[in-house]
Amino acid sequence: DTAVSQTPKYLVTQMGNDKSIKCEQNLGHDTMYWYKQDSKKFLKIMFSYNNKELIINETVPNRFSPKSPDKAHLNLHINSLELGDSAVYFCASSQAPRELSAEAFFGQGTRLTVV
Amino acid sequence: GQQLNQSPQSMFIQEGEDVSMNCTSSSIFNTWLWYKQDPGEGPVLLIALYKAGELTSNGRLTAQFGITRKDSFLNISASIPSDVGIYFCAGQLASGTYKYIFGTGTRLKVLA
Repeated sequence: DTAVSQTPKYLVTQMGNDKSIKCEQNLGHDTMYWYKQDSKKFLKIMFSYNNKELIINETVPNRFSPKSPDKAHLNLHINSLELGDSAVYFCASSQAPRELSAEAFFGQGTRLTVV
Repeated sequence: GQQLNQSPQSMFIQEGEDVSMNCTSSSIFNTWLWYKQDPGEGPVLLIALYKAGELTSNGRLTAQFGITRKDSFLNISASIPSDVGIYFCAGQLASGTYKYIFGTGTRLKVLA
């Protein structure tokens, strides 16, 4: 069974469109994250939710809006997509951010291409 | 902002050789994690380190939490072709923000 699953795996869309990426984890973790990996493979955290509460919000354009309907799901909605949004977006989860067992488990990634 | 410098950036090695890579920073960390990413996949956790000076092994992998809490090292012994991939360190800052900062990655290619 997949621990952290995100859909879709690939997303190609035109500039200006609005799109969503979904993420679900079946590990019973309290915390979920969104990371962005650029073309140079650099990974940077975007958001983190703990029990549906936003706890980390990096300097991300407000066109990006995370939504956590419950602690097993964290979706990412992106408005007015721009060319620079093209990247691989990873969802991850961990038991709790404040505990020593904060190892994150990652999904397979969503490769977003804006044309 | 805080940065994690990871080196080397990439390396080609012969099968059977040992590999070393490291992460350094000017910031102090509470936790160090080492991940491996295969093409088209998400990072997979290899080793987690929680105490300064800690040395932990996972099969042919050994990682150490630097005594100054500003660096960490990963060694792979007797490399095999499936070790190819990108290795990332990630550190959790001691300053209380709880977030992990990832290193820039080491791309490993193993020649059979």
